Amino acid sequence: QQQVKQSPQSLIVQKGGIPIINCAYENTAFDYFPWYQQFPGKGPALLIAIRPDVSEKKEGRFTISFNKSAKQFSLHIMDSQPGDSATYFCAGAGNNRKLIWGLGTSLAVNP
Amino acid sequence: GAGVSQSPSNKVTEKGKDVELRCDPISGHTALYWYRQSLGQGLEFLIYFQGNSAPDKSGLPSDRFSAERTGGSVSTLTIQRTQQEDSAVYLCASVLGPGETQYFGPGTRLLVL
Repeated sequence: QQQVKQSPQSLIVQKGGIPIINCAYENTAFDYFPWYQQFPGKGPALLIAIRPDVSEKKEGRFTISFNKSAKQFSLHIMDSQPGDSATYFCAGAGNNRKLIWGLGTSLAVNP
Repeated sequence: GAGVSQSPSNKVTEKGKDVELRCDPISGHTALYWYRQSLGQGLEFLIYFQGNSAPDKSGLPSDRFSAERTGGSVSTLTIQRTQQEDSAVYLCASVLGPGETQYFGPGTRLLVL
C-alpha cells in the first residue's frame, strides 16, 4: 500500500512536444502529490504539487492531471524545451507528510 | 545561507573505513530528511528528524548507518565499515515544518572502493 509506481522510466521528445509522465498510487490515505525535478549533479526541487480535491493544476507549462477514482496522476509539460531535460519524480504522502517516491523518469528534450 | 548545503560534495573511501557526511539545513527549518540515491534510481528514505521528537530511523539499511542532529540544526550521517554497495549519492532535505516542501541540498557523492 506504500508504493508509487511511475512510468515511463525514460522518455525522449522533440522540442515543442508534450511529454507525459504517469504515476499510480495504492494508499487511499494519500492526500498530497508533488512532482520534483532533478538536474544532473543537483538535488531534486519541487516543481508542482496537487491535492485530491482538484482534478487539474497548472503552473506555467507544467500541468498535473489527477484521477482520484483510478488513483493515478500525471505530469504534462507543454511546449517542452531542451532545458526541461531532467529527471522527474512523483511522490505521494498522507497526513504524516512522509513522501513515498516513484523511481523517476529521465526526460530528454531534443532541440 | 540561501539553501541547504552538504559536505563534502564528493567522497572516495576504501572499503571498511568510516565516513561522515554533513548537512547544513536552512535556518529555522525544524525538520530534516536523509535519502540515498543510487545511480539511476529513485530516492531511498533513510532517516527523518522533526524538532525534538525521536527520529524516524525506519529507513536505515543496517546498523552501520547512524545519524544525529545537533542543536536542531546541523546533521551528520555516519556510515561505519563502508561497503561497496554503500556507493551512492546521499541527499539531505530541509523542511520548515510537517507537511511543508522539502528543500534538497546538492548531495554528497560517495564512492567506496
